[in-house]
Formats: sequence, structure tokens, C-alpha cells
Amino acid sequence: DVVMTQTPVSLSVAIGQPASISCKSSQSLVGTSGKTYLNWLLQRPGQSPKRLIYLVSKLDSGIPDRFSGSGSETDFTLKISRVEADDLGVYYCLQGTHFPRTFGGGTKLELK
Amino acid sequence: EVQLVESGGGLVKPGASLKLSCVASGFTFSDYWMSWVRQTPGKTMEWIGDIKYDGSYTNYAPSLKNRFTISRDNAKSTLYLQMSNVRSEDTATYYCTTGWFAYWGQGTLVTVSS
Repeated sequence: DVVMTQTPVSLSVAIGQPASISCKSSQSLVGTSGKTYLNWLLQRPGQSPKRLIYLVSKLDSGIPDRFSGSGSETDFTLKISRVEADDLGVYYCLQGTHFPRTFGGGTKLELK
Repeated sequence: EVQLVESGGGLVKPGASLKLSCVASGFTFSDYWMSWVRQTPGKTMEWIGDIKYDGSYTNYAPSLKNRFTISRDNAKSTLYLQMSNVRSEDTATYYCTTGWFAYWGQGTLVTVSS
């Protein structure tokens, strides 16, 4: 199985400050199609996960451009340019290139 | 609006069987691969498997393949997860999601305990 390693495990950020989460995979996530199926999800407290970003850097509809995704092969990053209160929760990376699909362990974003 | 509504969870004894359902609305269900994902009480996320839009093909996590079966009824826009010989480690919230994880249900809690 592809191991997805997220860091840090928790992140304390003041409102208006930037945040960055890393996700590293044990194998390249470039698929046979040439596409890289790396997603970022946010699970707010008491809610279901919500996809924010797919194919490394494509924002889902309604996701503010404060969020951005980057990376390639095995090394990926989610950045929030200015954290808002609504951004709090647990972020997961998820690879959809290889079977079985696998998730990172999560990064909890808290307010400082 | 896309909606996925899971049901069928509850308290079950070890060794029992349980069937979860997920009713979809707001999109053409028969056009999409669908997946099941579970989240343990410790918040670990685990992909269970997925099923092709016409139900003709499934993929499973190897560790669950022998006990879990995914099926669908496109006429009813419903996805199913048949769980057999459940164990305490199957205790989790079970989510259905569209194949590429764009939409998620609210989840249904399964607790396995004697």
C-alpha cells in the first residue's frame, strides 16, 4: 500500500496568518494517464470530510483561493494564505492513483 | 444539490452481519463510480472499496475483501455495503462518497461489541 505521511500532526495558527501542510507518499502518485490523483480534504468538527483540492492543485467549486495545492511525484503541499476561523478542523491528503486508496494521518489546524 | 444519506448502522455483536445503505440524489447516480470509506474512533480514515457505475466491477482494500461486499441498485439510486463476520476493529463511522471523493454523506456509526 502507498503510505501517505502528513506533517505536522497539529498546527496552531493565528487568524490572518499563513499555514502550510506537507504530504509525502511512499511511491510516485503519477498515474498511467499522466495525471496525479492527489486530493486534500477538510473535516470540520462534527462534520463529514469535504474535498477542497483534487489533481494536486485544482480547487473544488466554492473553495476560496486562499487555498492552494502544489507538488509532484511524492511530495505535496497544501497552503492557506490567510487562515480564517472557518478553516479550523482536520486536513487529510488522499491518493487516488493506486489501489488501495490511502489517506494521510491528518493535520489538525487550531487557532493560536 | 448532491445528497448522500447513509443508514443501517448501529450496535452489532462480533461475528454478526450488517448491511449499510446510501441513498443518492441530486445527480445521475448511474453515471458515477461510488466508494465506501470508514473513520475509526481515533479518526483514522480507511478506504473500503469502490464500484463501477454499472455495478460490473469492484475494488476492495485487501484487508477487507473477504468480509465486505459493495453493490448498488441504480434503479433506486442506492449504494450498499454488506459486512459479514464483523469484529471490534470494524467499529467506525462509515461514509459513502462519489468515486473521486467530491461528495460525502453524513456517515452512519457502526459499533461492534458484545
